[in-house]
Amino acid sequence: GAVVSQHPSRVICKSGTSVKIECRSLDFQATTMFWYRQFPKQSLMLMATSNEGSKATYEQGVEKDKFLINHASLTLSTLTVTSAHPEDSSFYICSARDPNEKLFFGSGTQLSVL
Amino acid sequence: GDSVTQMEGPVTLSEEAFLTINCTYTATGYPSLFWYVQYPGEGLQLLLKATKADDKGSNKGFEATYRKETTSFHLEKGSVQVSDSAVYFCALSHSGNTPLVFGKGTRLSVIA
Repeated sequence: GAVVSQHPSRVICKSGTSVKIECRSLDFQATTMFWYRQFPKQSLMLMATSNEGSKATYEQGVEKDKFLINHASLTLSTLTVTSAHPEDSSFYICSARDPNEKLFFGSGTQLSVL
Repeated sequence: GDSVTQMEGPVTLSEEAFLTINCTYTATGYPSLFWYVQYPGEGLQLLLKATKADDKGSNKGFEATYRKETTSFHLEKGSVQVSDSAVYFCALSHSGNTPLVFGKGTRLSVIA
């Protein structure tokens, strides 16, 4: 089946640094990718919808200047957490929609900000 | 807005036990309902889905029936295996163009 590769799977960083998470669709072109975040004991919450070649659409309450999303090609979207702080520590997961509108998920990134 | 509520975990069962993970939803109209599974170290995978009331989704021995009257989509399996240990997410979506709304996930551990 289709595969979405997400890296890194785990990252620990110091407060104030920026972290980039990559999401790649390995065997299909994804015009749309979604970024989710999950805090402990909470639901997976949609952060933003990323369309290739255009600006991402952010959900209410998500700071677009803090969570930079780039979808420069049909197979790659990146999420950059800028100036990360401990409250940004969370599980981030991407999903990509294939041309048949099926969704495939990455394996997620556990971010810990010290 | 739309929301999905699923039972708190973790759930620990012995092999061959019966499994039920409850899921209820709040939504306008008639959403499609899904169960996703995440095995350790892997991405979420679609386990089964149902697109209209009374539909039953099934896969790998798991079943769930779309109950409009109780706004529920409970996941069941008659005899779990150790390999079923994973996190299970209930979700809904109104169409292929709208993103999924997830529950919190339920961690299942099956012991031999």
